[in-house]
Amino acid sequence: NAGVTQTPKFRVLKTGQSMTLLCAQDMNHEYMYWYRQDPGMGLRLIHYSVGEGTTAKGEVPDGYNVSRLKKQNFLLGLESAAPSQTSVYFCASRPMTGVGEAFFGQGTRLTVV
Amino acid sequence: DAKTTQPPSMDCAEGRAANLPCNHSTISGNEYVYWYRQIHSQGPQYIIHGLKNNETNEMASLIITEDRKSSTLILPHATLRDTAVYYCIAVNSGYSTLTFGKGTMLLVSP
Repeated sequence: NAGVTQTPKFRVLKTGQSMTLLCAQDMNHEYMYWYRQDPGMGLRLIHYSVGEGTTAKGEVPDGYNVSRLKKQNFLLGLESAAPSQTSVYFCASRPMTGVGEAFFGQGTRLTVV
Repeated sequence: DAKTTQPPSMDCAEGRAANLPCNHSTISGNEYVYWYRQIHSQGPQYIIHGLKNNETNEMASLIITEDRKSSTLILPHATLRDTAVYYCIAVNSGYSTLTFGKGTMLLVSP
């Protein structure tokens, strides 16, 4: 049982390049989330999904797109990377029912130069 | 979700109990209190949650005041590995989003 796996763990992009971050969970969770965390700050929600085929904006969605074509995967895309998107990105998932806790991946450290 | 307020930092000696407070004076009756922690550079980790009764698990205890306006996370015997940022969050059951504040940076020293 791997839990929540993020790919890649590290990446350096040039300004204007595009990339996709992959989050995969094997717990059959309905809800999935993408957060970013900047130095000295808490986590800020970028986008989230409450089920396959659904996505919604979080607190800081600009510059990002997401897709949830399969229940177990949640993709975060950067179409044209900017230095302001240099951050650590965390994915999380949780079950829809009850008071289940969220499980987080180990993060993707992205640097845009 | 109710706003939570936590001290920005706390210190604790190794082996002693760490008591981390959280104020959630506007919490509603169906909102749970959750605690997560984030050890440096890692993803947040769930610790414990509760509604109105005190709760205990293998990691910590959660004490919620009778009026539910505040709570305390207790790490009974803090170790150096408990050095982390601790987040207190109040949400409804079945919540769709989880909002993190700045948390409390707990430093456990030898």
